[in-house]
Amino acid sequence: DIQMTQSPSFLSASVGDRVTINCKASQNINKYLDWYQQKHGEAPKLLIYNTNNLQTGIPSRFSGSGSGTDYTLTISSLQPEDVATYFCLQHSSRPYTFGAGTKLELK
Amino acid sequence: EVQLQESGPGLVKPSQSLSLTCSVTGYSITSNYWGWIRKFPGNKMEWMGYISYSGSTSYNPSLKSRISITRDTSKNQFFLQLNSVTTEDTATYYCARDGTYYYVGVMDAWGQGASVTVSS
Repeated sequence: DIQMTQSPSFLSASVGDRVTINCKASQNINKYLDWYQQKHGEAPKLLIYNTNNLQTGIPSRFSGSGSGTDYTLTISSLQPEDVATYFCLQHSSRPYTFGAGTKLELK
Repeated sequence: EVQLQESGPGLVKPSQSLSLTCSVTGYSITSNYWGWIRKFPGNKMEWMGYISYSGSTSYNPSLKSRISITRDTSKNQFFLQLNSVTTEDTATYYCARDGTYYYVGVMDAWGQGASVTVSS
């Protein structure tokens, strides 16, 4: 199985800050990397698919980048409604595997 | 708009089978792929498997001997059965639509989740 190492596990930032979350795969995943947001008690929401494609309806302050084994989710200007847990998912090969998650809070 | 809703017992005894239903509205399960994912206490997530538009299945090898995903197209529902459960199967179980934008693995719609506790 492909292992996904996500960092940091916890992040505290202020409104307006630029925030980055990273995922590193144990092997090349050919950009088949998605990012999800999950707020407490809610279903996960797809933010970014295949590294850098913004899902319909997601604000443009969210963006993704990366290649090979290293991928990044960036929030360009943190908003209060972005408080959530974020996790990455690789679907380059089955079984799909997830990062451990990043809990984002407001400072 | 597609909506998914999980249902099933919230408590299962060890060694028994866990059975969940995902009811889908607003979209036919004869298109796309339909998956099950679980989130353990402590937030680790695991992809369990999916059933395709044609009824073929793919399972996580870690579960392969215990898992079955089936469907009823007349009711637009698909099902998860996990046999011989232990306390380590305690989790929130999610169903999701897979295969968005023709990429298997991109899951754009999820249910709210069903909390299942395995305990005697």
